[in-house]
This record gives sequence, structure tokens and C-alpha cells, in this order.
Amino acid sequence: DGGITQSPKYLFRKEGQNVTLSCEQNLNHDAMYWYRQDPGQGLRLIYYSQIVNDFQKGDIAEGYSVSREKKESFPLTVTSAQKNPTAFYLCASSIAPGGEGQPQHFGDGTRLSIL
Amino acid sequence: GENVEQHPSTLSVQEGDSAVIKCTYSDSASNYFPWYKQELGKGPQLIIDIRSNVGEKKDQRIAVTLNKTAKHFSLHITETQPEDSAVYFCAAPSPGTGRRALTFGSGTRLQVQP
Repeated sequence: DGGITQSPKYLFRKEGQNVTLSCEQNLNHDAMYWYRQDPGQGLRLIYYSQIVNDFQKGDIAEGYSVSREKKESFPLTVTSAQKNPTAFYLCASSIAPGGEGQPQHFGDGTRLSIL
Repeated sequence: GENVEQHPSTLSVQEGDSAVIKCTYSDSASNYFPWYKQELGKGPQLIIDIRSNVGEKKDQRIAVTLNKTAKHFSLHITETQPEDSAVYFCAAPSPGTGRRALTFGSGTRLQVQP
């Protein structure tokens, strides 16, 4: 079955520590995205990538970094500069690049908490 | 950037009744409007979407209507069932990303009472 796999499902971060969230897709999609979800709020865009070796900042990129070395992988690093990292992190992909109307497919998320 | 407002934030209906969730958007150039359903501990799943060349789209018990002049679109669920209970999000393309990523509404928690 094609899909998006996020790991781990739960992650704990200590003060001053960087942590990396994994996102892998086997849908052969060009575009990938990272969103952050806080309780009672919608999803906010952290970073997105339309093609390998290229990515752009979203609305809340500060304190996060990404890489896109392979088409199927888009890991997100939450750095120590992100002072409020506790949230549910969602990875998505779509067929893009292209115009509007590219449905996004989501993984089942990683819940990050502070120790 | 795109501003997407969603109402209501919570909605409780009796099984068999209809549910309506409304969203407004600000970018008049947007022409794709998806709806996602998110169950507890899961990622959102696309349930229906609409493009601006049509005013309504139906898929069994789910329908979406679009009014481009007023810049709002709505999700309609008829004959609701307990398994429809979830959080629903509307979205619109984000102009700041060349309309490749989405801006999401704040979500509606739907509770269907048996």
C-alpha cells in the first residue's frame, strides 16, 4: 500500500536538545510539507519542498530545519531554538509541482513533548 | 496571505440529522477548496474537494457548496452517523507558497449523538 510513514509516533525532547522527526512516502509525490498542530487550532505550515534539494520556509519556520536529499524523504529537525516545541507534527505530500488543486495526503503524525 | 475562517468550532447533532460547517476565505484568486476529516490521534484525510468552476459537488452523504462572489464554502453532511464524529478542517491554497501549500481553518469538532 502506498502512503506516508511518520516516526516515531511519540517523541520527548530535553532542554537544549535537537530532535529529528522522520517522514517517508512511497507515493512517488514530488512535493512534501510539514505542518504543526496545536490543540484547538488548525494546521500551520512549517516548511515545504516542491522538488529534491529545494525547500522553502512556511509561516512558522523559526526554530526548525529540514532537508530534502531524496524524493521519498523529508525529515524535520526541531532545534533548541524552538522554545515551545510541544505539538502534533504532521507531514504531507502531493503530486505537485503544479498549479492549484493538488490534494495533500497526510501521515499519522508525531507527538512531541518536552521532558 | 490567505485567511481562512471556520465556524462553528463545535457542533453537536442527533444521529440522522444534518450538519453544516462554513468557511470564508480572503484571496479571491483561490480556486481549490478541500475538506479534511481528522480522527483522534490520526492525520487528516481528504473527504471532498471543490474547484471554482463548479458551485456544488456531492459524494453520497457529503456535499460541498462554493460561493465565489461571497468567498465562502460549506460542508454539508446528511443523515449523520456516530462514525461521522471527528474534527473537520476546511482549507484553501496559500498565496505565499505559490498556492502549493494549504492554509487551514481552525477546525470544527462534530459530535453525533446516537
